Amino acid sequence: SYELTQPPSVSVFPGETATITCSGDDLGDKYASWYQHKPGQSPALLIYLDNRRPPGTPERFSGSNSGNTATLTITGTQTMDEADFYCQAWDSSRHVIFGGGTKLTVL
Amino acid sequence: QVHLVESGGGVVQPGTSLRLSCEVSGFTFSNYAVHWVRLAPGKGLEWVAIISYDGSSKYYIDSVKGRFTISRDNSKNTLFLEMIGLRAEDTALYYCTRDRCNGDPCYDFDHWGQGTLVTVSS
Repeated sequence: SYELTQPPSVSVFPGETATITCSGDDLGDKYASWYQHKPGQSPALLIYLDNRRPPGTPERFSGSNSGNTATLTITGTQTMDEADFYCQAWDSSRHVIFGGGTKLTVL
Repeated sequence: QVHLVESGGGVVQPGTSLRLSCEVSGFTFSNYAVHWVRLAPGKGLEWVAIISYDGSSKYYIDSVKGRFTISRDNSKNTLFLEMIGLRAEDTALYYCTRDRCNGDPCYDFDHWGQGTLVTVSS
């Protein structure tokens, strides 16, 4: 079965750029989405179709996807961005796959 | 405004059954595929199942095939998840989610409910 791998944790200082990766075989041939999940809230779609932002996603969030890796970049990270982040894709069996999640800590 | 409200969770013993419901409002339910996604304690998000906008297509994660059944009643704007033979590893917060695309699914989720907690324990 298809798997997506994320680093368990990423730490940055406020104002810095945070980069969260998501790896999977030929992931660049699929579309990747990203979700932000804050404690006590429901997950929220952050990025879809690799790099598109739904209404409400701040411009400091951007995405890319090529080769075996999709990347979520947060430029000028804010303390309010602290959350768990999940990448997601779907395979040819119409199954949806999530990465294991990355806990972003803003120091 | 789009709303999805789950209900039906609870504490049950292994091997028993439970039926989750998700009432939606704020959009034309019959135009969208919908999914169930769960979050187990200390673990990450896990997709469970999808049903197409008209109910004609259903897909499940392998671990629930034969035990869970997803269904919908478009006349009542409600999604269901019938769960039998529950196991400890099914313990999770179950979210109802809307597929982002109108019609054929895009397999990503633009609206989520608040979740309903299922605990399977003896």
